[in-house]
Amino acid sequence: DAMVIQNPRYQVTQFGKPVTLSCSQTLNHNVMYWYQQKSSQAPKLLFHYYDKDFNNEADTPDNFQSRRPNTSFCFLDIRSPGLGDAAMYLCATSRSPGWGETQYFGPGTRLLVL
Amino acid sequence: KQEVTQIPAALSVPEGENLVLNCSFTDSAIYNLQWFRQDPGKGLTSLLLIQSSQREQTSGRLNASLDKSSGRSTLYIAASQPGDSATYLCAVEGDYKLSFGAGTTVTVRA
Repeated sequence: DAMVIQNPRYQVTQFGKPVTLSCSQTLNHNVMYWYQQKSSQAPKLLFHYYDKDFNNEADTPDNFQSRRPNTSFCFLDIRSPGLGDAAMYLCATSRSPGWGETQYFGPGTRLLVL
Repeated sequence: KQEVTQIPAALSVPEGENLVLNCSFTDSAIYNLQWFRQDPGKGLTSLLLIQSSQREQTSGRLNASLDKSSGRSTLYIAASQPGDSATYLCAVEGDYKLSFGAGTTVTVRA
């Protein structure tokens, strides 16, 4: 009865080779988030979708993009991964943005860039 | 910009001892504060959520307090067990986004 699913759990890519990470949810939540968490650091919000509305954080590099083709799925695309993009990528969902709504996190995808 | 700090970064205690984890934040204009647990290489599990109008929240052996005016929260874990070993992160919500601390890594020795 997994609620937020991320695939793959581990991803190895080469420097500069585009990579896509996937997130799906069975909660029918309106909001989906992508966070980047580097080793021993706080998770950092990259962007979120509220329904089909895309909201990018001001300091998210242009190298990162996202797609949400329907309510259940959201993708993170890294166009040209660099060594500094190696991290855990966490997907989360909530019913609405803010106002005390709990965010539910997936297990994460660990990205390694060679 | 909201800054969230968790001190200490790591903590080791013998089984049975009570745990006290601290979180501080710089902007008191928050909707709520959450405590999460993260096991190595895994995602985040929400433990407790305290609304900005509340002072504390309890779940089993866990109790979290919130003092918004001073920008502080404390997570208490009573009678710690080896299974409590994990990293504990606090996060505050302002507008639509969560701002996280880097976490406190707890080791409970059997």
